[in-house]
Amino acid sequence: ETGVTQTPRHLVMGMTNKKSLKCEQHLGHNAMYWYKQSAKKPLELMFVYNFKEQTENNSVPSRFSPECPNSSHLFLHLHTLQPEDSALYLCASSQDLRRMNTEAFFGQGTRLTVV
Amino acid sequence: TQLLEQSPQFLSIQEGENLTVYCNSSSVFSSLQWYRQEPGEGPVLLVTVVTGGEVKKLKRLTFQFGDARKDSSLHITAAQPGDTGLYLCAGGVSYDKVIFGPGTSLSVIP
Repeated sequence: ETGVTQTPRHLVMGMTNKKSLKCEQHLGHNAMYWYKQSAKKPLELMFVYNFKEQTENNSVPSRFSPECPNSSHLFLHLHTLQPEDSALYLCASSQDLRRMNTEAFFGQGTRLTVV
Repeated sequence: TQLLEQSPQFLSIQEGENLTVYCNSSSVFSSLQWYRQEPGEGPVLLVTVVTGGEVKKLKRLTFQFGDARKDSSLHITAAQPGDTGLYLCAGGVSYDKVIFGPGTSLSVIP
């Protein structure tokens, strides 16, 4: 248990569906992240939030829409996904951006399958 | 484009054996982290190294950061089945950017 909780753990959705992934951290961290982990590819950073403000969007398609209502919660809204979007989506947090690469804590991930 | 390479990609060994996995890049990193990820779970941070030449030990695991801060190694002594997992290295590019390697998948057979 790292203090970062993701729900749901597994999700199967059709290409026309709309769904949301949720991430919650009780570590008092101010920075939160979404990563995508595909088979045989390195983790890809998707979005970065620092004090609820988005600071990074690594050319992620608009069918992925993040939301950070407060420092403890992060959502990833999904719509009109493609089968190639099937992957493990990981949420992470750190005390601040400066500690992104020294003390990041990951959730267990949501295994997403798009059919 | 900055890349991290890890080798070997897959490793299967018997319980009790020693092993070393590597993380290499042509880029210099401000820090380097090692994670272990078990199937169906998120990565768990094992260690962070920040100084060139630094060596850190965590029980049976020894981590080394290269002098030039471009590479790192992880040595496991007397591997146990509980060491099975995907070992990821991640390099700090700047204070707010980190890149991950593809990982080494380790299987320790009882």
